[in-house]
Amino acid sequence: EAGVAQSPRYKIIEKRQSVAFWCNPISGHATLYWYQQILGQGPKLLIQFQNNGVVDDSQLPKDRFSAERLKGVDSTLKIQPAKLEDSAVYLCASSSSQIYEQYFGPGTRLTVT
Amino acid sequence: DAKTTQPTSMDCAEGRAANLPCNHSTISGNEYVYWYRQIHSQGPQYIIHGLKNNETNEMASLIITEDRKSSTLILPHATLRDTAVYYCIGVNTGTASKLTFGTGTRLQVTL
Repeated sequence: EAGVAQSPRYKIIEKRQSVAFWCNPISGHATLYWYQQILGQGPKLLIQFQNNGVVDDSQLPKDRFSAERLKGVDSTLKIQPAKLEDSAVYLCASSSSQIYEQYFGPGTRLTVT
Repeated sequence: DAKTTQPTSMDCAEGRAANLPCNHSTISGNEYVYWYRQIHSQGPQYIIHGLKNNETNEMASLIITEDRKSSTLILPHATLRDTAVYYCIGVNTGTASKLTFGTGTRLQVTL
Protein backbone atom coordinates (compact mmCIF):
# COMPACT_ATOMS: atom_id res chain seq x y z
CA GLU A 1 0.00 0.00 0.00
CA ALA A 2 1.40 3.37 -1.00
CA GLY A 3 1.93 5.81 1.83
CA VAL A 4 1.04 9.49 2.14
CA ALA A 5 2.84 11.49 -0.52
CA GLN A 6 3.91 15.10 -0.09
CA SER A 7 5.70 17.58 -2.29
CA PRO A 8 7.94 19.39 -2.39
CA ARG A 9 10.21 17.94 0.30
CA TYR A 10 12.08 21.19 0.79
CA LYS A 11 11.26 24.82 0.04
CA ILE A 12 13.15 28.03 0.70
CA ILE A 13 11.37 31.35 0.19
CA GLU A 14 11.73 34.92 1.28
CA LYS A 15 9.33 36.52 3.72
CA ARG A 16 6.19 37.96 2.16
CA GLN A 17 6.34 35.42 -0.68
CA SER A 18 3.70 32.75 -1.09
CA VAL A 19 4.13 28.98 -1.06
CA ALA A 20 1.95 25.91 -1.58
CA PHE A 21 2.30 22.33 -0.42
CA TRP A 22 0.61 19.30 -1.89
CA CYS A 23 -0.54 16.09 -0.23
CA ASN A 24 -1.92 12.84 -1.62
CA PRO A 25 -3.34 10.65 1.16
CA ILE A 26 -3.56 6.89 1.31
CA SER A 27 -6.21 5.64 -1.09
CA GLY A 28 -9.59 5.37 0.58
CA HIS A 29 -8.74 7.43 3.63
CA ALA A 30 -11.56 9.89 4.23
CA THR A 31 -9.82 12.03 6.82
CA LEU A 32 -6.85 14.24 6.02
CA TYR A 33 -4.80 16.41 8.36
CA TRP A 34 -2.21 19.13 8.03
CA TYR A 35 0.22 19.63 10.92
CA GLN A 36 2.94 22.21 11.53
CA GLN A 37 6.07 21.08 13.38
CA ILE A 38 8.46 23.75 14.58
CA LEU A 39 11.97 22.59 15.41
CA GLY A 40 12.13 21.00 18.85
CA GLN A 41 8.36 20.74 19.24
CA GLY A 42 5.74 18.11 18.53
CA PRO A 43 3.44 18.46 15.53
CA LYS A 44 0.50 20.86 15.91
CA LEU A 45 -2.75 20.27 14.04
CA LEU A 46 -3.60 23.08 11.61
CA ILE A 47 -6.63 21.67 9.84
CA GLN A 48 -8.62 18.45 9.57
CA PHE A 49 -10.78 17.45 6.59
CA GLN A 50 -13.44 14.76 6.49
CA ASN A 51 -13.80 14.00 2.78
CA ASN A 52 -13.81 17.53 1.33
CA GLY A 53 -15.35 19.25 4.34
CA VAL A 54 -13.45 21.01 7.14
CA VAL A 55 -13.87 19.39 10.56
CA ASP A 56 -11.42 21.49 12.59
CA ASP A 57 -9.43 24.55 11.54
CA SER A 58 -9.31 26.23 14.94
CA GLN A 59 -5.51 26.49 14.94
CA LEU A 60 -5.11 27.60 11.34
CA PRO A 61 -3.92 31.22 11.04
CA LYS A 62 -6.60 32.12 8.56
CA ASP A 63 -5.21 35.53 7.73
CA ARG A 64 -2.34 33.91 5.86
CA PHE A 65 -2.96 30.15 5.69
CA SER A 66 -5.53 28.42 3.53
CA ALA A 67 -6.19 24.81 2.66
CA GLU A 68 -8.49 22.93 0.37
CA ARG A 69 -9.30 19.36 -0.44
CA LEU A 70 -11.08 19.23 -3.74
CA LYS A 71 -12.96 16.03 -4.60
CA GLY A 72 -12.09 14.62 -1.18
CA VAL A 73 -8.70 13.25 -2.22
CA ASP A 74 -5.63 15.47 -2.72
CA SER A 75 -5.10 18.56 -0.63
CA THR A 76 -3.08 21.76 -0.84
CA LEU A 77 -1.95 24.04 1.96
CA LYS A 78 -1.01 27.60 1.06
CA ILE A 79 0.75 30.35 2.96
CA GLN A 80 0.43 33.90 1.68
CA PRO A 81 2.35 35.97 2.69
CA ALA A 82 4.94 33.94 4.57
CA LYS A 83 6.57 35.15 7.77
CA LEU A 84 9.85 34.12 9.34
CA GLU A 85 8.00 32.24 12.07
CA ASP A 86 6.38 29.98 9.47
CA SER A 87 9.68 28.15 9.09
CA ALA A 88 8.76 24.60 10.03
CA VAL A 89 8.05 21.13 8.71
CA TYR A 90 4.53 20.78 7.33
CA LEU A 91 3.20 17.27 7.73
CA CYS A 92 0.21 15.74 6.03
CA ALA A 93 -1.52 12.71 7.52
CA SER A 94 -4.54 10.61 6.66
CA SER A 95 -6.70 8.07 8.44
CA SER A 96 -9.59 5.75 7.77
CA SER A 97 -12.34 5.10 10.29
CA GLN A 98 -9.75 4.77 13.08
CA ILE A 99 -9.08 8.50 13.13
CA TYR A 100 -6.48 8.36 15.87
CA GLU A 101 -4.36 5.89 13.93
CA GLN A 102 -2.95 8.37 11.49
CA TYR A 103 -0.47 7.76 8.70
CA PHE A 104 1.96 10.59 8.13
CA GLY A 105 3.83 11.67 5.06
CA PRO A 106 7.52 12.64 5.11
CA GLY A 107 6.73 16.34 5.41
CA THR A 108 7.83 19.51 3.64
CA ARG A 109 10.58 21.49 5.30
CA LEU A 110 9.93 25.21 4.76
CA THR A 111 12.59 27.81 5.41
CA VAL A 112 11.54 31.46 5.29
CA THR A 113 14.44 33.93 5.02
CA ASP B 1 -7.73 15.40 27.04
CA ALA B 2 -5.34 14.32 29.77
CA LYS B 3 -2.02 16.10 30.08
CA THR B 4 0.87 13.66 29.76
CA THR B 5 4.35 13.95 31.19
CA GLN B 6 7.37 12.12 29.75
CA PRO B 7 11.11 12.24 30.44
CA THR B 8 12.98 14.40 27.98
CA SER B 9 15.46 11.73 26.99
CA MET B 10 16.53 8.14 27.63
CA ASP B 11 19.30 5.82 26.52
CA CYS B 12 19.08 2.10 25.88
CA ALA B 13 21.64 -0.48 24.80
CA GLU B 14 20.88 -2.34 21.61
CA GLY B 15 19.24 -5.69 22.27
CA ARG B 16 17.93 -4.64 25.66
CA ALA B 17 14.35 -3.74 26.47
CA ALA B 18 13.50 -0.05 26.25
CA ASN B 19 10.92 1.01 28.84
CA LEU B 20 9.45 4.43 28.17
CA PRO B 21 7.28 5.85 30.97
CA CYS B 22 4.39 8.24 30.68
CA ASN B 23 2.48 9.93 33.46
CA HIS B 24 -1.18 10.82 32.84
CA SER B 25 -2.56 11.32 36.34
CA THR B 26 -5.55 13.38 35.15
CA ILE B 27 -6.76 10.85 32.61
CA SER B 28 -10.51 10.29 32.59
CA GLY B 29 -12.28 6.97 32.35
CA ASN B 30 -12.93 7.09 28.62
CA GLU B 31 -9.58 8.44 27.52
CA TYR B 32 -7.21 6.21 25.63
CA VAL B 33 -3.43 6.37 25.72
CA TYR B 34 -1.85 6.52 22.27
CA TRP B 35 1.82 6.15 21.44
CA TYR B 36 3.53 7.46 18.34
CA ARG B 37 7.19 7.74 17.43
CA GLN B 38 9.07 9.99 15.04
CA ILE B 39 12.33 8.91 13.52
CA HIS B 40 14.59 11.74 12.40
CA SER B 41 13.40 13.46 9.20
CA GLN B 42 10.26 11.33 9.00
CA GLY B 43 6.63 11.85 9.94
CA PRO B 44 5.27 10.34 13.16
CA GLN B 45 4.35 6.65 13.13
CA TYR B 46 1.52 5.10 15.12
CA ILE B 47 2.73 2.40 17.53
CA ILE B 48 -0.03 1.24 19.85
CA HIS B 49 -2.90 2.40 22.03
CA GLY B 50 -4.83 1.16 25.06
CA LEU B 51 -7.57 2.01 27.53
CA LYS B 52 -7.00 -0.06 30.65
CA ASN B 53 -5.81 -3.49 29.59
CA ASN B 54 -2.26 -4.21 28.59
CA GLU B 55 -1.78 -4.35 24.85
CA THR B 56 0.81 -5.96 22.60
CA ASN B 57 1.43 -5.84 18.88
CA GLU B 58 4.32 -6.55 16.56
CA MET B 59 6.04 -3.31 17.47
CA ALA B 60 5.65 -2.94 21.21
CA SER B 61 3.81 -3.66 24.43
CA LEU B 62 1.82 -1.14 26.43
CA ILE B 63 1.47 -1.60 30.17
CA ILE B 64 -1.15 0.59 31.87
CA THR B 65 -1.27 0.74 35.66
CA GLU B 66 -4.45 -0.35 37.38
CA ASP B 67 -5.28 3.22 38.43
CA ARG B 68 -4.52 4.33 34.83
CA LYS B 69 -2.41 7.22 36.04
CA SER B 70 0.67 6.04 34.20
CA SER B 71 1.77 3.70 31.47
CA THR B 72 4.95 2.23 30.02
CA LEU B 73 5.76 1.52 26.39
CA ILE B 74 8.08 -1.44 26.07
CA LEU B 75 10.26 -2.17 23.05
CA PRO B 76 11.39 -5.70 23.96
CA HIS B 77 14.63 -5.81 21.98
CA ALA B 78 15.65 -2.30 20.98
CA THR B 79 17.66 -1.81 17.80
CA LEU B 80 19.45 1.23 16.42
CA ARG B 81 16.44 1.81 14.15
CA ASP B 82 14.30 2.42 17.24
CA THR B 83 16.19 5.65 17.93
CA ALA B 84 13.42 8.24 17.75
CA VAL B 85 11.21 10.66 19.68
CA TYR B 86 8.35 8.80 21.37
CA TYR B 87 5.09 10.60 22.08
CA CYS B 88 2.50 9.56 24.65
CA ILE B 89 -0.89 11.16 23.96
CA GLY B 90 -4.18 11.05 25.88
CA VAL B 91 -7.21 10.93 23.59
CA ASN B 92 -10.89 11.16 24.44
CA THR B 93 -12.32 9.16 21.58
CA GLY B 94 -15.85 9.99 22.62
CA THR B 95 -15.54 13.67 21.76
CA ALA B 96 -14.21 15.59 18.79
CA SER B 97 -10.70 15.16 20.12
CA LYS B 98 -7.45 15.62 18.26
CA LEU B 99 -3.95 14.26 18.64
CA THR B 100 -2.04 16.78 20.75
CA PHE B 101 1.66 16.04 20.58
CA GLY B 102 3.93 17.20 23.39
CA THR B 103 7.71 17.18 23.16
CA GLY B 104 7.99 13.44 23.83
CA THR B 105 10.95 11.33 24.95
CA ARG B 106 14.04 11.19 22.79
CA LEU B 107 15.23 7.56 22.91
CA GLN B 108 18.82 6.94 21.89
CA VAL B 109 19.70 3.29 21.26
CA THR B 110 23.43 2.67 21.42
CA LEU B 111 25.76 -0.20 20.56
